[in-house]
Amino acid sequence: DTEVTQTPKHLVMGMTNKKSLKCEQHMGHRAMYWYKQKAKKPPELMFVYSYEKLSINESVPSRFSPECPNSSLLNLHLHALQPEDSALYLCASSQRALAGGRYEQYFGPGTRLTVT
Amino acid sequence: GQQLNQSPQSMFIQEGEDVSMNCTSSSIFNTWLWYKQDPGEGPVLLIALYKAGELTSNGRLTAQFGITRKDSFLNISASIPSDVGIYFCAGPHNAGNMLTFGGGTRLMVKP
Repeated sequence: DTEVTQTPKHLVMGMTNKKSLKCEQHMGHRAMYWYKQKAKKPPELMFVYSYEKLSINESVPSRFSPECPNSSLLNLHLHALQPEDSALYLCASSQRALAGGRYEQYFGPGTRLTVT
Repeated sequence: GQQLNQSPQSMFIQEGEDVSMNCTSSSIFNTWLWYKQDPGEGPVLLIALYKAGELTSNGRLTAQFGITRKDSFLNISASIPSDVGIYFCAGPHNAGNMLTFGGGTRLMVKP
């Protein structure tokens, strides 16, 4: 099973709203990732969690707040977003986040976020 | 930083034709990954390559790890309409499992 699930599939929110995106995997992977993807562009890395600890933050604005409650779950809390934050948000997981491990990342179906 | 250049950027082909796309870098990569992304969905891993010269197949898809370690190729034989999508190559940065992605090849298939 190489499934990563994400909810919700679609989300429309105003600039003053607070919402959360959720991601789950049951492959025993110890690294989880958040990506942002704009139309016709490759995914852009936002955050990396390794063994439930934040290991990389790619200079993401504080209006995006990640959380890893346990090894299977990853959340992305959203607050005071801007219209330019509208995008497809992808979650991914891999066995490890350190060099020398298997590099394959498995992606979820994504959440299509629209900020109005 | 490391960059991956994919070509062509887009292809429009007739159903049944074979397809070839490639990914090149100015830096050496030790792993090449090929993903396919359907509209509105997440990328799906097609093939992973770990050794220079390696040739790996997945159904009608065949990918090769270039001998120089600076390129990789993906071929699709006898294309069908469901092959439509964006194909991304990816490889890990020098440190850790963070992936660099190519710009993607958009494939369109005419029935």
